[in-house]
Amino acid sequence: LAKTTQPISMDSYEGQEVNITCSHNNIATNDYITWYQQFPSQGPRFIIQGYKTKVTNEVASLFIPADRKSSTLSLPRVSLSDTAVYYCLVGNTGTASKLTFGTGTRLQVTL
Amino acid sequence: EAEVAQSPRYKITEKSQAVAFWCDPISGHATLYWYRQILGQGPELLVQFQDESVVDDSQLPKDRFSAERLKGVDSTLKIQPAELGDSAMYLCASSSPGQAKNIQYFGAGTRLSVL
Repeated sequence: LAKTTQPISMDSYEGQEVNITCSHNNIATNDYITWYQQFPSQGPRFIIQGYKTKVTNEVASLFIPADRKSSTLSLPRVSLSDTAVYYCLVGNTGTASKLTFGTGTRLQVTL
Repeated sequence: EAEVAQSPRYKITEKSQAVAFWCDPISGHATLYWYRQILGQGPELLVQFQDESVVDDSQLPKDRFSAERLKGVDSTLKIQPAELGDSAMYLCASSSPGQAKNIQYFGAGTRLSVL
C-alpha cells in the first residue's frame, strides 16, 4: 500500500486559494489518488479523485504531475465552512480496494 | 441523496461490558467497511465485507471484536468485553464495485466512550 505524507496543518484566510500537497512516492501503476474531507463528529466525505494530469469538479481541483509521486488539492476561495481535516489516499478502485488514511491535514480558515 | 445509516450515534458503556453497533449501507452497495478512528488520527480499517463474506479483517482484534453481515446488507460490529482503549469513533462505509471510481461513502459514526 502506498504511503502518503501531508502537512499536519495549514491556516488560511477566507477568500484565499488553498493548496494542500500530498507526497506518495511509491504509488503503483493502478493506484488512483483520492481526497476526503472530514468535519468534527462526522464521517469523511469524498471530494475528488484522479489518476493523472488535472481533475476539476464543483468543489476542488486536483493536480497530478506526470510522475504521479505527488498531488495537490486546490480549494478556490475558501470559506469558514471549509475548516476541516483533509485526507489524501492512494489505492486502486478494484473490488478489494483498501484505503489507508494518514493523519490528514487540518485546515483552519479564519476571517 | 442516499446515506449510510449508523446507530447509535453515541454509546457510553463500562469496562467489560458488551457493545454493538449497527450499519445500513447505501442500497445496492456490495462492499461494506468498518473503521475505528481515535481522536486526532485518521480512520483505521477494521474489517471489509464483500456481500456477506469477509475480505479483510487483518486489523480486527479478534479476541474481543466480531463483525457480521449475514444477508449481505446491514452489518453489526460487536465488542465484548469493552476496554478503556476502545473509546473511539466507529465509522461504517460502503461502496459499489460497479461504480467506476469505487468511492467509499461514510456514515456519521458511533462515538463510543468506555468508562
